[in-house]
Amino acid sequence: QVQLVESGGGLVKPGGSLRLSCAASGFIFGDYYMSWIRQVPGKGLEWVSYISSTGSTIYYADSVKGRFTISRDNAKNSLYLQMNSLRAEDTAVYYCARDGQAASDYFYMDVWGKGTTVTVAS
Amino acid sequence: DIQMTQSPSSLSASVGDRVTITCRASQSISRYLNWYQQKPGKAPKLLIYAASSLQSGVPSRFSGSGSGTDFTLTISSLEPEDFASYYCQQSDSTPRTFGQGTKLEIK
Repeated sequence: QVQLVESGGGLVKPGGSLRLSCAASGFIFGDYYMSWIRQVPGKGLEWVSYISSTGSTIYYADSVKGRFTISRDNAKNSLYLQMNSLRAEDTAVYYCARDGQAASDYFYMDVWGKGTTVTVAS
Repeated sequence: DIQMTQSPSSLSASVGDRVTITCRASQSISRYLNWYQQKPGKAPKLLIYAASSLQSGVPSRFSGSGSGTDFTLTISSLEPEDFASYYCQQSDSTPRTFGQGTKLEIK
């Protein structure tokens, strides 16, 4: 079945780095844009970044620009988020989501992983 | 950046009630508006895309409408499993902003 599974979360000190992974299955990964979204416990959803199906187009939220890097490996059906210079305010559950196809008129996140928790604390 | 404002932020209702949640964009987003449902401890679930298209498998009691800057999500008759948080999200431009959410609670 169509599935996304995140991994790589954990506890890291301020200023540290972490790499999140998202393994996709059950669909042609290389056909889809992919996004990372995060949620501070008890708070709302914040879109973090997206990457086009080929990796040629990438956008970031201002809050992570210059610190986070999104990438993908279509041969491995995997999405990544390299997080550097982490801050306490980056503490959240991080979700990956499938986010539409290049030929689509509309983009929407129709498949989500269960999330991985990142805690930034000393 | 496009700001998305939902109202109300919280809502108490009873099983069988008709409920409407509103989402307003700070500028026109045509019909590039999606709605998600999230239950505690779970990932969000897509309900409505392109303002009014029902995602496959979502019950028909959910409907969406609107275009431009004003949008609504309507649940025609609340079921017990509908008590959750709801978020709108625009996909007209980046950053892909979400509304702050509406928590739907049992009265």
